[in-house]
Amino acid sequence: RKEVEQDPGPFNVPEGATVAFNCTYSNSASQSFFWYRQDCRKEPKLLMSVYSSGNEDGRFTAQLNRASQYISLLIRDSKLSDSATYLCVVNTNAGGTSYGKLTFGQGTILTVHP
Amino acid sequence: DAGVIQSPRHEVTEMGQEVTLRCKPISGHNSLFWYRQTMMRGLELLIYFNNNVPIDDSGMPEDRFSAKMPNASFSTLKIQPSEPRDSAVYFCASIRSGGYTEAFFGQGTRLTVV
Repeated sequence: RKEVEQDPGPFNVPEGATVAFNCTYSNSASQSFFWYRQDCRKEPKLLMSVYSSGNEDGRFTAQLNRASQYISLLIRDSKLSDSATYLCVVNTNAGGTSYGKLTFGQGTILTVHP
Repeated sequence: DAGVIQSPRHEVTEMGQEVTLRCKPISGHNSLFWYRQTMMRGLELLIYFNNNVPIDDSGMPEDRFSAKMPNASFSTLKIQPSEPRDSAVYFCASIRSGGYTEAFFGQGTRLTVV
């Protein structure tokens, strides 16, 4: 089983739609979680961190369910500029240390069309 | 700060040749990661260092791959001998150790082995 699994998509949605991405992780000791965005032929960049209580940044909402080892990202009122690959990322600290291993999901491709 | 700097940006080499990829992390970041990205397998973690010490190299595909971090400002990933299946984009990322800290990626090296 992969350490981080994502709904592969691709998702093809019209402008203004709401779209949700899901991700599961296998290591219950994982401690921090993120969503990254990657544009075509570019490097990944941080979109937002995911906190236990859930968090929102404008049109983007991230949720974490530790019991189910599940992370989600919701995009409301999608824009053409949201077209990208969205990567779920899990940070698992080595025991007793402050540094961790960043593991990426396969990514979900989103295309927003007019 | 100029961000994470990788070189070269593109590399085309013949099968059997040695390839060396270079990375300069952001000053003050103490963890460094090497990833390989392909369409089929997504972003795979090859190896990561903390304070210049290799922590986990379980993702290194085989003995042809080696990585070093002789000091806090420089790391190399070497492939010898290279094979066509090594063709991919290789990313380096650095992070300041801790929980919800952001990983910054270099622009990647696009390697083609013919």
